[in-house]
Amino acid sequence: SAVISQKPSRDICQRGTSLTIQCQVDSQVTMMFWYRQQPGQSLTLIATANQGSEATYESGFVIDKFPISRPNLTFSTLTVSNMSPEDSSIYLCSVLDRTGGYTFGSGTRLTVV
Amino acid sequence: GENVEQHPSTLSVQEGDSAVIKCTYSDSASNYFPWYKQELGKGPQLIIDIRSNVGEKKDQRIAVTLNKTAKHFSLHITETQPEDSAVYFCAASKAERASGTYKYIFGTGTRLKVLA
Repeated sequence: SAVISQKPSRDICQRGTSLTIQCQVDSQVTMMFWYRQQPGQSLTLIATANQGSEATYESGFVIDKFPISRPNLTFSTLTVSNMSPEDSSIYLCSVLDRTGGYTFGSGTRLTVV
Repeated sequence: GENVEQHPSTLSVQEGDSAVIKCTYSDSASNYFPWYKQELGKGPQLIIDIRSNVGEKKDQRIAVTLNKTAKHFSLHITETQPEDSAVYFCAASKAERASGTYKYIFGTGTRLKVLA
């Protein structure tokens, strides 16, 4: 399966600021996704990162709050903008790899103070 | 849309005993059901999956069963070991017509503690 490197692994940020999370994959993948995992809860899909076009956002998530870039088939970024304490979560990158399964990165643990 | 319920939310077992985690789903069109294990500070890792044309699948100490009629599926771990302690997530999915990929709906997770 694909190997995903996600950075940073954790960060503590001031409210009102923005954080960009990077996801690097060791092979070209068709589909890349961004998930949010709030404390003690399940995984919620934020958006599908599309290469060369705008990301596809799930209900409840908007581009102004979570802008996503996908410049090529191995890299994507998620920005959490104008952060508030409610944005404190684990953010996970996921890819559909060649085996047909989904592989997750190790996540970015974000704390907003 | 799809809704996945997972029980129990926490489960403690003695080392060597079996653990069972159950999930129910609402969308009868769902046809792929993976299970993920998430250890502390790590991302979820796929441990086993089952498709709707199969009733049971086994991989060493781990097995998954699917009852399509009742729309529920279960994870069975036998001879549990301390390293099995983690949070386990089930998911239900079906192929998205537009993209041909699966969109997952995850359960709420089960925190399994194996007591030595």
